[in-house]
Amino acid sequence: DQQVKQNSPSLSVQEGRISILNCDYTNSMFDYFLWYKKYPAEGPTFLISISSIKDKNEDGRFTVFLNKSAKHLSLHIVPSQPGDSAVYFCAARSGTYKYIFGTGTRLKVLA
Amino acid sequence: EAQVTQNPRYLITVTGKKLTVTCSQNMNHEYMSWYRQDPGLGLRQIYYSMNVEVTDKGDVPEGYKVSRKEKRNFPLILESPSPNQTSLYFCASRRQGAQTSYTFGSGTRLTVV
Repeated sequence: DQQVKQNSPSLSVQEGRISILNCDYTNSMFDYFLWYKKYPAEGPTFLISISSIKDKNEDGRFTVFLNKSAKHLSLHIVPSQPGDSAVYFCAARSGTYKYIFGTGTRLKVLA
Repeated sequence: EAQVTQNPRYLITVTGKKLTVTCSQNMNHEYMSWYRQDPGLGLRQIYYSMNVEVTDKGDVPEGYKVSRKEKRNFPLILESPSPNQTSLYFCASRRQGAQTSYTFGSGTRLTVV
Protein backbone atom coordinates (compact mmCIF):
# COMPACT_ATOMS: atom_id res chain seq x y z
CA ASP A 1 0.00 0.00 0.00
CA GLN A 2 1.61 3.21 -1.19
CA GLN A 3 1.57 5.71 1.68
CA VAL A 4 3.12 8.50 -0.40
CA LYS A 5 1.70 8.92 -3.89
CA GLN A 6 2.73 10.98 -6.86
CA ASN A 7 -0.09 10.42 -9.30
CA SER A 8 1.48 12.21 -12.26
CA PRO A 9 4.34 10.17 -13.73
CA SER A 10 5.35 13.03 -15.99
CA LEU A 11 4.86 16.75 -16.56
CA SER A 12 5.95 19.10 -19.35
CA VAL A 13 6.21 22.85 -18.86
CA GLN A 14 7.44 25.72 -20.97
CA GLU A 15 10.56 27.52 -19.84
CA GLY A 16 9.70 30.53 -17.69
CA ARG A 17 6.32 29.17 -16.61
CA ILE A 18 5.39 27.62 -13.28
CA SER A 19 5.87 23.91 -12.62
CA ILE A 20 3.60 22.35 -10.00
CA LEU A 21 4.38 18.88 -8.76
CA ASN A 22 1.92 17.15 -6.46
CA CYS A 23 2.15 14.54 -3.76
CA ASP A 24 -0.53 12.91 -1.60
CA TYR A 25 -0.04 10.93 1.57
CA THR A 26 -2.24 8.73 3.69
CA ASN A 27 -0.73 8.82 7.17
CA SER A 28 -1.63 11.84 9.28
CA MET A 29 1.26 11.00 11.63
CA PHE A 30 3.88 12.05 9.07
CA ASP A 31 5.59 15.12 10.52
CA TYR A 32 8.29 16.11 8.04
CA PHE A 33 8.21 16.22 4.27
CA LEU A 34 10.96 16.57 1.70
CA TRP A 35 11.44 16.95 -2.03
CA TYR A 36 14.38 15.44 -3.88
CA LYS A 37 15.53 15.94 -7.44
CA LYS A 38 17.21 13.21 -9.44
CA TYR A 39 19.17 13.50 -12.67
CA PRO A 40 19.99 10.38 -14.75
CA ALA A 41 23.00 8.40 -13.51
CA GLU A 42 23.08 10.37 -10.26
CA GLY A 43 21.66 9.87 -6.79
CA PRO A 44 18.72 11.96 -5.57
CA THR A 45 19.69 15.34 -4.14
CA PHE A 46 17.79 17.17 -1.45
CA LEU A 47 15.82 20.18 -2.66
CA ILE A 48 13.52 21.54 0.02
CA SER A 49 11.60 20.40 3.08
CA ILE A 50 8.73 21.41 5.31
CA SER A 51 7.70 20.58 8.83
CA SER A 52 4.11 19.60 9.54
CA ILE A 53 3.71 22.68 11.74
CA LYS A 54 4.11 24.93 8.71
CA ASP A 55 2.08 25.30 5.54
CA LYS A 56 4.68 26.91 3.30
CA ASN A 57 8.44 26.98 2.88
CA GLU A 58 10.30 28.94 0.25
CA ASP A 59 13.84 28.71 -1.09
CA GLY A 60 14.57 30.83 -4.12
CA ARG A 61 12.57 29.56 -7.07
CA PHE A 62 11.25 26.60 -5.08
CA THR A 63 8.24 26.70 -2.75
CA VAL A 64 6.66 23.76 -0.97
CA PHE A 65 3.07 23.95 0.24
CA LEU A 66 1.53 21.61 2.78
CA ASN A 67 -2.21 21.11 3.21
CA LYS A 68 -2.55 18.82 6.20
CA SER A 69 -6.32 18.54 6.09
CA ALA A 70 -6.12 17.29 2.51
CA LYS A 71 -2.93 15.31 3.15
CA HIS A 72 -1.44 17.02 0.13
CA LEU A 73 1.97 18.43 -0.63
CA SER A 74 3.01 20.42 -3.67
CA LEU A 75 6.26 21.82 -5.06
CA HIS A 76 6.15 25.00 -7.12
CA ILE A 77 9.05 25.98 -9.33
CA VAL A 78 8.94 29.55 -10.64
CA PRO A 79 10.25 30.32 -13.19
CA SER A 80 11.01 26.88 -14.60
CA GLN A 81 14.35 26.43 -16.33
CA PRO A 82 15.61 23.68 -18.67
CA GLY A 83 18.08 22.62 -15.96
CA ASP A 84 15.11 21.75 -13.74
CA SER A 85 14.30 18.81 -16.02
CA ALA A 86 14.67 15.79 -13.74
CA VAL A 87 12.69 13.26 -11.74
CA TYR A 88 11.25 14.70 -8.53
CA PHE A 89 10.50 12.54 -5.51
CA CYS A 90 8.51 13.59 -2.48
CA ALA A 91 9.20 11.87 0.82
CA ALA A 92 7.63 11.78 4.26
CA ARG A 93 9.13 10.95 7.63
CA SER A 94 7.45 8.08 9.43
CA GLY A 95 8.52 7.75 13.03
CA THR A 96 12.13 8.53 13.91
CA TYR A 97 13.96 6.58 11.28
CA LYS A 98 11.92 5.86 8.18
CA TYR A 99 11.58 8.12 5.19
CA ILE A 100 8.97 6.91 2.71
CA PHE A 101 9.35 8.03 -0.88
CA GLY A 102 6.80 8.49 -3.63
CA THR A 103 7.10 7.00 -7.10
CA GLY A 104 8.46 10.17 -8.69
CA THR A 105 7.35 12.66 -11.33
CA ARG A 106 9.47 13.29 -14.41
CA LEU A 107 9.55 17.01 -15.18
CA LYS A 108 10.52 18.21 -18.62
CA VAL A 109 11.05 21.93 -19.09
CA LEU A 110 10.82 22.88 -22.74
CA ALA A 111 13.07 25.65 -24.03
CA GLU B 1 34.06 16.91 -0.23
CA ALA B 2 31.14 15.55 1.80
CA GLN B 3 29.84 12.49 0.05
CA VAL B 4 28.44 8.99 0.08
CA THR B 5 30.49 6.59 -2.02
CA GLN B 6 29.07 3.36 -3.41
CA ASN B 7 30.92 0.64 -5.27
CA PRO B 8 30.61 -0.74 -7.81
CA ARG B 9 28.55 1.57 -10.03
CA TYR B 10 27.54 -1.28 -12.32
CA LEU B 11 27.44 -5.01 -11.64
CA ILE B 12 26.22 -7.98 -13.65
CA THR B 13 26.15 -11.28 -11.80
CA VAL B 14 24.60 -14.72 -11.97
CA THR B 15 21.85 -16.13 -9.81
CA GLY B 16 23.11 -17.45 -6.51
CA LYS B 17 26.56 -15.87 -6.52
CA LYS B 18 27.03 -13.89 -3.31
CA LEU B 19 27.88 -10.24 -3.71
CA THR B 20 28.49 -7.16 -1.60
CA VAL B 21 27.84 -3.55 -2.51
CA THR B 22 29.95 -1.22 -0.41
CA CYS B 23 28.88 2.14 0.96
CA SER B 24 30.97 4.67 2.81
CA GLN B 25 30.23 8.19 4.05
CA ASN B 26 32.68 10.83 5.26
CA MET B 27 30.24 13.10 7.11
CA ASN B 28 30.18 11.27 10.46
CA HIS B 29 26.45 10.66 10.02
CA GLU B 30 24.69 8.42 12.49
CA TYR B 31 21.93 7.20 10.19
CA MET B 32 22.47 5.19 7.03
CA SER B 33 20.02 3.49 4.73
CA TRP B 34 19.74 1.40 1.59
CA TYR B 35 17.04 2.00 -1.02
CA ARG B 36 16.19 0.33 -4.28
CA GLN B 37 14.58 2.14 -7.19
CA ASP B 38 12.32 0.28 -9.59
CA PRO B 39 10.10 1.63 -12.39
CA GLY B 40 6.66 2.60 -11.10
CA LEU B 41 7.62 1.82 -7.51
CA GLY B 42 9.86 4.74 -6.63
CA LEU B 43 12.45 4.40 -3.88
CA ARG B 44 11.81 1.65 -1.37
CA GLN B 45 13.81 1.23 1.81
CA ILE B 46 15.63 -2.07 2.25
CA TYR B 47 17.44 -1.64 5.58
CA TYR B 48 18.50 1.22 7.78
CA SER B 49 20.95 1.75 10.60
CA MET B 50 20.70 4.19 13.47
CA ASN B 51 24.32 3.78 14.56
CA VAL B 52 27.13 1.26 14.87
CA GLU B 53 25.79 -2.27 15.41
CA VAL B 54 22.17 -1.05 15.26
CA THR B 55 20.20 -1.97 12.15
CA ASP B 56 16.58 -2.64 11.27
CA LYS B 57 14.48 -3.79 8.35
CA GLY B 58 12.87 -1.40 5.95
CA ASP B 59 9.96 -2.19 3.66
CA VAL B 60 11.65 -4.72 1.35
CA PRO B 61 14.38 -6.54 3.34
CA GLU B 62 13.89 -10.06 1.93
CA GLY B 63 17.04 -11.44 0.32
CA TYR B 64 19.34 -8.76 1.75
CA LYS B 65 21.66 -8.43 4.72
CA VAL B 66 23.52 -5.45 6.12
CA SER B 67 26.11 -4.75 8.76
CA ARG B 68 27.33 -1.63 10.53
CA LYS B 69 30.61 -2.41 12.20
CA GLU B 70 32.01 1.08 11.69
CA LYS B 71 30.18 4.36 11.59
CA ARG B 72 31.28 5.24 8.08
CA ASN B 73 30.52 1.93 6.33
CA PHE B 74 27.22 0.21 5.61
CA PRO B 75 27.62 -2.66 3.11
CA LEU B 76 24.66 -4.35 1.45
CA ILE B 77 25.02 -8.12 1.10
CA LEU B 78 23.07 -10.36 -1.27
CA GLU B 79 23.79 -13.91 -0.12
CA SER B 80 22.04 -15.60 -3.04
CA PRO B 81 20.98 -13.01 -5.63
CA SER B 82 17.92 -13.68 -7.77
CA PRO B 83 16.69 -11.94 -10.96
CA ASN B 84 14.01 -10.04 -9.00
CA GLN B 85 16.83 -8.21 -7.24
CA THR B 86 17.84 -6.59 -10.51
CA SER B 87 17.47 -2.94 -9.63
CA LEU B 88 19.12 0.41 -9.04
CA TYR B 89 20.42 0.65 -5.47
CA PHE B 90 21.16 3.76 -3.47
CA CYS B 91 22.95 4.16 -0.18
CA ALA B 92 22.20 7.26 1.86
CA SER B 93 23.24 8.83 5.12
CA ARG B 94 22.01 11.63 7.36
CA ARG B 95 22.89 13.07 10.71
CA GLN B 96 20.84 12.34 13.76
CA GLY B 97 17.96 14.74 14.29
CA ALA B 98 14.27 15.15 13.70
CA GLN B 99 14.47 17.15 10.51
CA THR B 100 17.47 16.16 8.52
CA SER B 101 17.76 15.12 4.91
CA TYR B 102 19.49 12.12 3.43
CA THR B 103 22.58 12.51 1.26
CA PHE B 104 22.56 9.85 -1.42
CA GLY B 105 25.32 8.02 -3.22
CA SER B 106 25.43 7.87 -7.01
CA GLY B 107 23.81 4.45 -7.21
CA THR B 108 24.69 0.88 -8.14
CA ARG B 109 22.94 -0.69 -11.07
CA LEU B 110 22.73 -4.43 -10.43
CA THR B 111 21.67 -7.01 -12.99
CA VAL B 112 21.16 -10.62 -11.91
CA VAL B 113 20.93 -13.10 -14.78
